[in-house]
This record gives sequence, structure tokens and C-alpha cells, in this order.
Amino acid sequence: GIQVEQSPPDLILQEGANSTLRCNFSDSVNNLQWFHQNPWGQLINLFYIPSGTKQNGRLSATTVATERYSLLYISSSQTTDSGVYFCAASYSGAGSYQLTFGKGTKLSVIP
Amino acid sequence: EPEVTQTPSHQVTQMGQEVILRCVPISNHLYFYWYRQILGQKVEFLVSFYNNEISEKSEIFDDQFSVERPDGSNFTLKIRSTKLEDSAMYFCASSSTTGRAFFGQGTRLTVV
Repeated sequence: GIQVEQSPPDLILQEGANSTLRCNFSDSVNNLQWFHQNPWGQLINLFYIPSGTKQNGRLSATTVATERYSLLYISSSQTTDSGVYFCAASYSGAGSYQLTFGKGTKLSVIP
Repeated sequence: EPEVTQTPSHQVTQMGQEVILRCVPISNHLYFYWYRQILGQKVEFLVSFYNNEISEKSEIFDDQFSVERPDGSNFTLKIRSTKLEDSAMYFCASSSTTGRAFFGQGTRLTVV
């Protein structure tokens, strides 16, 4: 199956700093999603981005499917951005789009 | 935005007891999933369900687990005889044919 690797595993930022989180995947995918897990454990949808670039406020994401990676950019970080960021990917087969998750990047934003 | 809802949000159960976790997927979605996250670890796929049957399952999803869609709106995960190692956050998800998955808020299961 697909392997998903995320880097870095941990990241500490000063409030206001920018960061880039990386997700590498081992095979062709047609679904790539980024999630933020908040302190209550909820998985918040950030981006559905099997290819191309999207922006949502201070966050943006780029997936280069041919090179098997995706990047999540966080600009002007805030303490509320803290949490774990997961990348998840799948290649749809008949009857299932099961996602394989990476181990996540734990982001801590300090004031 | 439509959302997936899960109940209960927390459940504490004694080892050996049966538990049923409930989910209401997004109404026009056709694919349903259960995932599990042991504390501090990554999210792992358990099972997918399509057209009223299991379409794929992981090796975690052994005989003590079962899923059901008892009516047109609910999707349930049953654990027959819970073990301590079943303690985890369980997420339900649903997707349309694009594959984009929407996750519920999770059920935190604690087996004591």
C-alpha cells in the first residue's frame, strides 16, 4: 500500500513566523488531504489537494503529484495553530478510498 | 458545511464488555469508514463500507469488530469483547465518489 512520510516530526515556532510542512508519498495518489488535529482530538479538514495549489487565509498547500510530495505552508503563525498536522493519501480502487495517514507534524507556536 | 456526527463523544467500558459506536455520515455520501487512533500515534484505517457491505478492512479489523448500517442514516462499529488495547479515539468518516473524506469529531473509548 501507499506509504506516507511527514517531516519534520516536531516544530517549534515563535508567533508570527512562517513554516513549511512536508508530506512525501510512495505511489500515485488521486486523493491527498491535510488535517489539523486540535487539542480535543478532532480532525479538522484543511485541504483536499490531489494536485495543484490552494490557499485558505494564512494557510496554503501545494501538491506535485508527479514528484510525490505535498507541502503545507503556514504564514504568520498564531498560538491557535498549535496541534498536530496530518497528511493523508489514497488511490481510489473499486469501492474504497481508504486514507493512509502519515505520523504527523507536531507544531507548537509560542507567544 | 455538512458534517459527520458521532456518539458518544466519550465512552468508558469494562474489559470484556461489548460497545457500539455510532455515526451519522453525510447524507449523500456513499462510502463510509472507521479509523482508529491510539493516543499519541497516527490515525489507522480499520474498515470501509460501500453498497451495504465491507469493501476493505485492515488486519486490525479482526473477528471482534463488526460494522452495520442498520437504517438509511446510521453507521455503527461494534466491538464484541473489549480489551485494554482497544482504548483509542475512533473516527467515523464518509466520502463521495471524489474520495474526499469528512471526519466526525471522534469517540474516545477507554477500556478499564
